[in-house]
Amino acid sequence: GAGVSQSPSNKVTEKGKDVELRCDPISGHTALYWYRQSLGQGLEFLIYFQGNSAPDKSGLPSDRFSAERTGGSVSTLTIQRTQQEDSAVYLCASSPGAGRGQPQHFGDGTRLSIL
Amino acid sequence: DQQVKQNSPSLSVQEGRISILNCDYTNSMFDYFLWYKKYPAEGPTFLISISSIKDKNEDGRFTVFLNKSAKHLSLHIVPSQPGDSAVYFCAASEEGAQKLVFGQGTRLTINP
Repeated sequence: GAGVSQSPSNKVTEKGKDVELRCDPISGHTALYWYRQSLGQGLEFLIYFQGNSAPDKSGLPSDRFSAERTGGSVSTLTIQRTQQEDSAVYLCASSPGAGRGQPQHFGDGTRLSIL
Repeated sequence: DQQVKQNSPSLSVQEGRISILNCDYTNSMFDYFLWYKKYPAEGPTFLISISSIKDKNEDGRFTVFLNKSAKHLSLHIVPSQPGDSAVYFCAASEEGAQKLVFGQGTRLTINP
């Protein structure tokens, strides 16, 4: 498809388990972002990748959260030892480059529920 | 610390009338602002943006106004259509930063 693709669309897991969320950005987009949206809240920035530069990890809420981007394309967000407060919709976005005049295009998100 | 605030959780407007969605910010370093629209179970879709060097930007039925002294921006939709019913998010970024800071969103309902 032409848009940002995220998988799975829904994930239910038990507290304490690890989860991996995947994002396939739009082909050719060099910038990739992860956000999360908790119930009734706005989107919260997590991490940003741009080309081969070191990622901006300033939004990751704890060391249980990590992300990587392989080959400048697909990205995986990993949450270790999940907690109930990790329940949220995790959204990935990509943009053609780092310029702010290039809006971020979002996927439909992964709804994560921690039991 | 909510740097971008949308104080109206919901707004109801009659079809054909003007919808005005408001957003306030506290960070004076923000210099680029965007509006996104979100339907249920979908990701946000970019609508319109404005740089701090401007006070107005228009795109079809959508106009964004920026009042830097008041740290306030608004999105006007005219005329409102049923397909405009969605949650609207205001977002902002600082110079040199790529991350967006979002407001909590306003649910707009257009009534026929």
